[in-house]
Amino acid sequence: DAKTTQPPSMDCAEGRAANLPCNHSTISGNEYVYWYRQIHSQGPQYIIHGLKNNETNEMASLIITEDRKSSTLILPHATLRDTAVYYCRVMNNNAGNMLTFGGGTRLMVKP
Amino acid sequence: DAGVIQSPRHEVTEMGQEVTLRCKPISGHNSLFWYRQTMMRGLELLIYFNNNVPIDDSGMPEDRFSAKMPNASFSTLKIQPSEPRDSAVYFCASSPSLTGVTGYTFGSGTRLTVV
Repeated sequence: DAKTTQPPSMDCAEGRAANLPCNHSTISGNEYVYWYRQIHSQGPQYIIHGLKNNETNEMASLIITEDRKSSTLILPHATLRDTAVYYCRVMNNNAGNMLTFGGGTRLMVKP
Repeated sequence: DAGVIQSPRHEVTEMGQEVTLRCKPISGHNSLFWYRQTMMRGLELLIYFNNNVPIDDSGMPEDRFSAKMPNASFSTLKIQPSEPRDSAVYFCASSPSLTGVTGYTFGSGTRLTVV
């Protein structure tokens, strides 16, 4: 799986958009970009994933650059409950490629 | 669906004792994963099953750790004997398939403290 790079921490004002970047310059053509988050004392939570096109669901939007070497997770109106560690992962969907975690961005949403 | 259910939520045990952690995956999910999280090592994948069969246990730290999945609705992670360095939060996750294309669903975890 391709390596990902994320800033270790970010702050965001409550009610504003939180834009979390992720670099994955070695991504392969069949690899998806996945985002998870972990709120303190809880298990990781799946947010969204995409291959090429931008994706949106009830939780967030995922913007993937045309060259697919980076992506941005957007929380359109951050709330205090969005304070968490956000993990960007790149993996293909072949059996045998399991989700692993390391790094991540600690997002602090402030009043 | 109640999601992935883990028990107990908290476990405190003495060094040398046997510890059994339990997990009930989401009904219909064919893949199950055990993770361990510590401050030092982050979130590590220990073992995973597909259709109740262990596929890869290379993440299991030592022979003291074992995991079983006797049926599609139940899995256990056992530590015997337990040691203080096993203290961590253990998460179970399930997915409809090994490919994980629809995302993994995690349980709330078991916080294990070995004294």
